[in-house]
Parts: sequence; C-alpha cells; structure tokens
Amino acid sequence: DAGVIQSPRHEVTEMGQEVTLRCKPISGHDYLFWYRQTMMRGLELLIYFNNNVPIDDSGMPEDRFSAKMPNASFSTLKIQPSEPRDSAVYFCASSSRDRSYEQYFGPGTRLTVT
Amino acid sequence: RKEVEQDPGPFNVPEGATVAFNCTYSNSASQSFFWYRQDCRKEPKLLMSVYSSGNEDGRFTAQLNRASQYISLLIRDSKLSDSATYLCVVNDWGSARQLTFGSGTQLTVLP
Repeated sequence: DAGVIQSPRHEVTEMGQEVTLRCKPISGHDYLFWYRQTMMRGLELLIYFNNNVPIDDSGMPEDRFSAKMPNASFSTLKIQPSEPRDSAVYFCASSSRDRSYEQYFGPGTRLTVT
Repeated sequence: RKEVEQDPGPFNVPEGATVAFNCTYSNSASQSFFWYRQDCRKEPKLLMSVYSSGNEDGRFTAQLNRASQYISLLIRDSKLSDSATYLCVVNDWGSARQLTFGSGTQLTVLP
C-alpha cells in the first residue's frame, strides 16, 4: 500500500507569492491532518478533516492560510501571500478508526520563503 | 505547563546500552498513547502504540502509568540505527482525533 503522498517535496518561493501544498492520504483513511514543524515551535497541528469536512482549524496561523479537501483522496494547503516566517516543513498525515487512529505521515514539503 | 513533557536530552549512549525515555501528560482524559521516532529531515514514524498493560516489540518496551500520567520507552541493546528523535504522543478522544506531540528526546548511539 502506498503511504501518504505529498507534493512538492521542496518549494522555494519569494515573499508575497501564493504557495499550494498537496496531499493524498492513505486509501480508506477518513481523517486527514496538516502539521507544520519548525525548530523553534516543534510540530504544530494546523487543521484536520474528517470525511472531507474541516473539524478544527484553530491551529491555522491566520487568514493567509487555507485548506481544502474536495474528496477523500486529495487535500490542499494554500498560503497566500507567503511570508518568510512561513518557512517550515509541512506534513500531511492520515488516520483511520480501524487502526485506532494511529497517524501516518507523508514525507513533508520543505518550504522556504525568501 | 506543556500538555506533553519529555526529557529533552540529548542522550548519547554506546552501542549495546539500555536507554529509557520518560514522558508525562497533563490531560487525565487522554486515551491513546504512542511513541514516534523522527530521523533528521524525515517525517515522524509510528514506533509503537502504548497499551495499559505495557507492551514489548523486540528491543523496545513501552509502559503506561495512568495514575501518574506517565509513559516510558525502554530500548535495550541499542543499535547505531536507533539514533533519532523520539516523540511521546497522546491522543484525547471525544470529538477530536488530534494527537498532541511532545517536543522529543534526541538519542545518539555511539559506536
């Protein structure tokens, strides 16, 4: 079985540009999570979905961040406009009730905003 | 107080040593517990779930003490490949399925 797939793996962009990160969860998983990891703040939950519906977005830093899950196999995290402080590794993870909600992470997108 | 607190480390141990990591959590309603490992510049990977009775997976043993809100991970006969950051993770059930991550303990196994 394929794991969680994320793209791109690396993104370098200039301040003010729009950035879109993509995630394909493990087939059959009904929960999808977006995290951000930095040295200073560790791993932070940004938002999570259940059956494609956003459940908790309280971790989203500000209105510049938005996330969608149009179907069970695809989600996007968008930053518009991007700022240098958004530089981090963004992980997507998915889980399922059938596996006791153990979360499985994708390889991450390393974002650098200059 | 942080929701999940871990020994910050770093732990530097010789190959073959036994090493133990500790973790405390603040929410007594927490229901599920996990240890993840994260290699440098990689994603966190599930190492093992932690069950009330304690559980073992090869060289790794996890223990849970609900009364003290304490979780531990013991690694026996450590290998060079065990070098990583170990994350203590707690899940609060109810309406949420979120995981709360500790800040991690860095382990380096030396030859």
